[in-house]
Amino acid sequence: DTAVSQTPKYLVTQMGNDKSIKCEQNLGHDTMYWYKQDSKKFLKIMFSYNNKELIINETVPNRFSPKSPDKAHLNLHINSLELGDSAVYFCASTMAGAHTGELFFGEGSRLTVL
Amino acid sequence: SQQGEEDPQALSIQEGENATMNCSYKTSINNLQWYRQNSGRGLVHLILIRSNEREKHSGRLRVTLDTSKKSSSLLITASRAADTASYFCATDAGTGGFKTIFGAGTRLFVKA
Repeated sequence: DTAVSQTPKYLVTQMGNDKSIKCEQNLGHDTMYWYKQDSKKFLKIMFSYNNKELIINETVPNRFSPKSPDKAHLNLHINSLELGDSAVYFCASTMAGAHTGELFFGEGSRLTVL
Repeated sequence: SQQGEEDPQALSIQEGENATMNCSYKTSINNLQWYRQNSGRGLVHLILIRSNEREKHSGRLRVTLDTSKKSSSLLITASRAADTASYFCATDAGTGGFKTIFGAGTRLFVKA
């Protein structure tokens, strides 16, 4: 069983299109994240959700709209795609709290905007 | 701003040698973690060290933490070709797990 699963794994699209990436975790975690990894492998946090509530929004353009229908799912919708959105997007989850911290990552969704 | 900075950016060693990677961070932390990323894959957690700990071991991994210098190091002993990957440090920036921030990573190449 895959703990954190993302779909699709690859996405190639034209500038200006709208696309979505889905994430599901079966670990019973209460916190989920979206990270963006650029071509230099730099990993930047975009959003974090705890119990379906948005906790962190790292000044991501409002073309990016996350949605968490329940604790096990966190989807990412991107409007009006730009060339600079090309990256690998990782979903991750954890149980939040002072004594935990290990993040479990999905395998990534590679987005290419042409 | 980036919380963690790592050096070296890339490291190439022979199998059997030790590999040391360093990480510096800027703000107070509750814990610091190290992750590994194989090419084309997601990150995998290796080890977590709490702010009140100075050293931790896990198999061939040894992590140190110096909170006065805001730095940590990851030592991989007796490296293997399979250790070839990117290694990232991550801190919680004192947010209790809601905002884990990653360093730029060190790419390790272990030659057989």
